[in-house]
Amino acid sequence: AQKVTQAQTEISVVEKEDVTLDCVYETRDTTYYLFWYKQPPSGELVFLIRRNSFDEQNEISGRYSWNFQKSTSSFNFTITASQVVDSAVYFCALKGSSGSRLTFGEGTQLTVNP
Amino acid sequence: DAGITQSPRHKVTETGTPVTLRCHQTENHRYMYWYRQDPGHGLRLIHYSYGVKDTDKGEVSDGYSVSRSKTEDFLLTLESATSSQTSVYFCAIRSGTGFMNTEAFFGQGTRLTVV
Repeated sequence: AQKVTQAQTEISVVEKEDVTLDCVYETRDTTYYLFWYKQPPSGELVFLIRRNSFDEQNEISGRYSWNFQKSTSSFNFTITASQVVDSAVYFCALKGSSGSRLTFGEGTQLTVNP
Repeated sequence: DAGITQSPRHKVTETGTPVTLRCHQTENHRYMYWYRQDPGHGLRLIHYSYGVKDTDKGEVSDGYSVSRSKTEDFLLTLESATSSQTSVYFCAIRSGTGFMNTEAFFGQGTRLTVV
């Protein structure tokens, strides 16, 4: 069975603060994929990143960075110098090599206040 | 943009009526998926397709059927809509090649209200 836990239901920060969204996962697969999606108020799901289980290198894309640690089964997402436009629900997701579907966490609502 | 279009974007229907949602893709992806999104549940897989006329159930398939007669279209039908099927429905496609071949891109969503 697969499971994704996003313990933070809601986070509120002030613009320019750094914020980290936590994601912890469970899977029996040795090969798997991890994802982050952004869902702004308009409702669409925007793909942010996809990582493989064999690649533990952290990744940075502009103000976004991801910390993948297999030892703690975590795939955390950090936004540096947050902006109001970052306000959205963020979903972490997992897909095992043996499965046919993405398993989503329940999402973290991030509010960035001016 | 993965060339995914969902229609309709919004629909209100009455309990007991059949409803069909359409997902159309323009990039010849083999795999297509239907998810529903509900508060407290994240996104859950309803059905998926791995080719024309090849479909399989997801975790919440009861009350739903699907069809894929063409590569580009994946239809989701609520055979007799119930209020518990009020939700936002997302279509997704599987992108990437080889080891990275796993779904990543979603349509804009269809908000369905059953009254």
